[in-house]
Formats: sequence, C-alpha cells, structure tokens
Amino acid sequence: QVQLQESGPGLVEPSGTLSLTCAVSGGSISSDIWWSWVRQPPGKGLEWIGETHHSGRANYDPTLKSRLTFSVDKSKNQLSLKLTSVTAADTAVYYCARHGDCFLSDWGPGTTVTVSS
Amino acid sequence: QSALTQPRSVSGSPGQSVTISCTGTSSDIGTYKYVSWYQQHPGKAPKLMIYHVNERPSGVPDRFSGSKSGNTASLTISGLQSDDEADYYCCSYAGNSYVFGTGTKVTVL
Repeated sequence: QVQLQESGPGLVEPSGTLSLTCAVSGGSISSDIWWSWVRQPPGKGLEWIGETHHSGRANYDPTLKSRLTFSVDKSKNQLSLKLTSVTAADTAVYYCARHGDCFLSDWGPGTTVTVSS
Repeated sequence: QSALTQPRSVSGSPGQSVTISCTGTSSDIGTYKYVSWYQQHPGKAPKLMIYHVNERPSGVPDRFSGSKSGNTASLTISGLQSDDEADYYCCSYAGNSYVFGTGTKVTVL
C-alpha cells in the first residue's frame, strides 16, 4: 500500500515562495502514474492545483500556472511543489495524492501552510 | 474552471438514505465518465469512495453508490450510519485538469 507524506515550512511570508515535498513510500514514483496536488483553505472546499508525472509532464490549474512549478526527484522518491509570490489566499492545507485512472486513490495526511508576516 | 455545484448540506436519520447531487457542465461531467467522490472527516485527508461514476474501491461498503445523468452526478448513501457524518466532495476530469465540487456536509440526525 503506497503511503504519502507531505512536509513544508508551515509559515511563509507574503510575496515569498512556498516549497513543499511529498515523500512516497511503498511504491515507485517512476511508475506510469500521475500525482496530484490539492489544497484546502481553512473552512473551505478542495481545490485541485495540478498534476505531475515522473517524465516531467505536468498540468497546472490555469489560475496558478504562472506561479507554480512541480518537480520529481526519482532518487529520493519524492515530489516537490513551488509556489511563488504567495498571498494570504494561498493559506491552506496542501495534500499530495496518487492517481488511479482519472481519480485520486491515495492521499497524504496533508501539511498546513500559513502565509503571514 | 468553476467548481461543481453541490448542496451545502443534507441530513437523514440512521438507516435512511440520502442523495447528494453534483452539477457540472458539458466540459466536465457531461463529457467524461471520470466522476469520483471523496469523504472527508474533520481534520482528516479525503478518502476515495466512488470512482468512474459508480465503481467502489475495495473496502467501501455497498451502501455507497453513484450515478450520472447529463451534466449531473449523484452519490447515494443507503442505510445511513453515524460514521457517515462527514463532508463529501465530487470531482470530475475536465480534460488535462480536474474540478472539485463545492462540498456537502452530511449530518446523521
């Protein structure tokens, strides 16, 4: 059973860069599977922000595309997310998730990110 | 891509059935069979309950069922139990992207 674990700084200053990682265990990140990032602002619903594949392919939510970059580290079996120029609106719990065939089969527990000075 | 529309809340007594609707457009639900549903308890990660409109992952009780008609998908929970009290989100593939629903709180009276 694959397990995912997000990690990050917890607190990011406005206009700064948010960097998160998602460690994958129990499965290879190099398999032919897509991986998504989803976030949830406090008290609000789920927001899909993008997906990535070990080949380097990625799809981003159009509203975040200019600020968002995904990467894959095969040697560490982990995913990474970078979101630049953050504002309070980026405050959320961030999840990584493993894809099935166009659905999200396994989720990490999430990591909370607060944008504040 | 706008969020799919779900009712804010539904409720039912133990043993009853509730149905949650999820309305999208011809760009998402109306075109693709890739509708999934997720259950989220407070402070927890979402859990996959239904995929491909009406398929259940192993371990999900058959009390949970899904359907789709046109631009609207539905999740029905039969034989409501106390542990079913949670938030539920639909999700649809939309061509190189995904869109979630606004979320529905299910309350067991």
